[in-house]
Amino acid sequence: GAVVSQHPSRVICKSGTSVKIECRSLDFQATTMFWYRQFPKQSLMLMATSNEGSKATYEQGVEKDKFLINHASLTLSTLTVTSAHPEDSSFYICSARDPQRGPQEQFFGPGTRLTVL
Amino acid sequence: AQSVTQPDIHITVSEGASLELRCNYSYGATPYLFWYVQSPGQGLQLLLKYFSGDTLVQGIKGFEAEFKRSQSSFNLRKPSVHWSDAAEYFCAVGDPVDTGRRALTFGSGTRLQVQP
Repeated sequence: GAVVSQHPSRVICKSGTSVKIECRSLDFQATTMFWYRQFPKQSLMLMATSNEGSKATYEQGVEKDKFLINHASLTLSTLTVTSAHPEDSSFYICSARDPQRGPQEQFFGPGTRLTVL
Repeated sequence: AQSVTQPDIHITVSEGASLELRCNYSYGATPYLFWYVQSPGQGLQLLLKYFSGDTLVQGIKGFEAEFKRSQSSFNLRKPSVHWSDAAEYFCAVGDPVDTGRRALTFGSGTRLQVQP
């Protein structure tokens, strides 16, 4: 149980285009999902907290107009990178909390590798 | 604010040798503590967690960790490392008074290499 999926696993796009990444909790309902960004050989950097039915909370320095987050249902959150540029190339990971399980335990998706040409 | 320090960026051990990865945290009280493992290009997998009780925690894949309040540490150990253990390891802390909407705070990670 407690499986989180991400789609796509890998995407290559041209500079200026928008890319949508989906994060789904497959066997539980997640009221809160988190989006992280990870640069090569570095730790995870929290970008935003996504709460179902309300606006996402962005971390300092993360442009909310560039990284659009939608958490429309209890099992799906999406991250849209708008007008992507090469510096947005990174590994994006989502995680979700299962309120029925232990406190604060997060279940992570497999990640999405974004390459902007 | 809480923080996590993993002093060792990179560790190399021989297969079959014992392993200890260090993790120190800074927090006003005892936080919730986690160890995750990440294989290249993959997401994170939970190895073990500590919330309260017995300070020696057993996890998956033969890993264990010991919470030491006096040292603000939560070091990860394994008595005999296998080549498949080569990966990146992250220590993380959570706020016990969290309402459920805060993310974990991650350390910078320790890359483990295993020599044949």
